[in-house]
Amino acid sequence: KAGVTQTPRYLIKTRGQQVTLSCSPISGHRSVSWYQQTPGQGLQFLFEYFSETQRNKGNFPGRFSGRQFSNSRSEMNVSTLELGDSALYLCASSPNRGRGGGGYTFGSGTRLTVV
Amino acid sequence: GQQVMQIPQYQHVQEGEDFTTYCNSSTTLSNIQWYKQRPGGHPVFLIQLVKSGEVKKQKRLTFQFGEAKKNSSLHITATQTTDVGTYFCAGLSSGNTGKLIFGQGTTLQVKP
Repeated sequence: KAGVTQTPRYLIKTRGQQVTLSCSPISGHRSVSWYQQTPGQGLQFLFEYFSETQRNKGNFPGRFSGRQFSNSRSEMNVSTLELGDSALYLCASSPNRGRGGGGYTFGSGTRLTVV
Repeated sequence: GQQVMQIPQYQHVQEGEDFTTYCNSSTTLSNIQWYKQRPGGHPVFLIQLVKSGEVKKQKRLTFQFGEAKKNSSLHITATQTTDVGTYFCAGLSSGNTGKLIFGQGTTLQVKP
């Protein structure tokens, strides 16, 4: 079966711009979580969506937002980009919000560079 | 909020030596998961532990979940160069389904 698909793979943006990243989970998975990965901070939890509703949110400013559609695809948006937003953004899907035996399946990520 | 601490941050071993990484949560967990991320790759799920005191093995890898469900460890016996990568533990809080918090990871280098 197809894995988690994230688009685009690479992105270069200028400070002050906004960006939208997309994630298509594994078919049948209704939970989608987003993480920011940087060398110094590891994997930081951004938010989790389940059945089109944001269920959990990490400690990120309001410039970071997201949504989930009825087909479970998810997008995250970052407005007014800052240099510090440069990171690998990873999306992970799960059939049952992390419970059960299968864990999370990650996409390959979107590498965002802010210049 | 919930925090997951992982040590050591880096470990360099000679091929054939053993390796252990430790994970500690500030809150009781409903389960703990382990992931491996190869250089340039994305995290890949290895295993999930649910029960207090649980021990699971995958070939040369042994995973343990503490009695209090707040700590865990991953032990690799006789490391190989294919074990190179960063190992993350990730905890799912018992009070909050769906918020999987990752430790900082342990990066393993194996010298042939």
